[in-house]
Amino acid sequence: EAQVTQNPRYLITVTGKKLTVTCSQNMNHEYMSWYRQDPGLGLRQIYYSMNVEVTDKGDVPEGYKVSRKEKRNFPLILESPSPNQTSLYFCASSPQTSTDTQYFGPGTRLTVL
Amino acid sequence: AQSVAQPEDQVNVAEGNPLTVKCTYSVSGNPYLFWYVQYPNRGLQFLLKYITGDNLVKGSYGFEAEFNKSQTSFHLKKPSALVSDSALYFCAVRDPHSNYQLIWGAGTKLIIKP
Repeated sequence: EAQVTQNPRYLITVTGKKLTVTCSQNMNHEYMSWYRQDPGLGLRQIYYSMNVEVTDKGDVPEGYKVSRKEKRNFPLILESPSPNQTSLYFCASSPQTSTDTQYFGPGTRLTVL
Repeated sequence: AQSVAQPEDQVNVAEGNPLTVKCTYSVSGNPYLFWYVQYPNRGLQFLLKYITGDNLVKGSYGFEAEFNKSQTSFHLKKPSALVSDSALYFCAVRDPHSNYQLIWGAGTKLIIKP
């Protein structure tokens, strides 16, 4: 089944404890992206990747890192999480650019205490 | 600045009635416009998109949207609402000045009452 998977789905952590949210897609898509969703703010893009080893900042990159060593994986790293990073995170992929239909993962709900 | 507005935080419709979820945009050049839906505790799903051609676009689950260039709008419509249409709906537009990334609206919660 064609899909985008994210792990973990739920995570409660404490300030400053490094964490990684994994994202994987099995559709051979070149484009991948991370978003955060907050009430009243819609989706805001954190980082995106047009292809392997190519990543760019989105609208809200501060406090996040990403890497794209393989086409299928695009992990999101929070080196030192803070409470303002408590949010719902979505990974998405599409065949080429963001103008293609994007396929979203199920989301990761992160709480930073 | 490029932007997308969904002027209604919530829309309430009785089952069987037509529904409209509004979206207006501000972007230079030819817009690429999208609608996505998010059901509770799920990721977003693609509904439909306008790239070029016919202004009336048909999508999944009986939804359609009309591109209106003069009013810079891309309203989502359905002739007869179902309770199962209750969800959060997002409009998005391609930003030609930001490496073609999508600009998202804040979302509209659609509630269909039996």
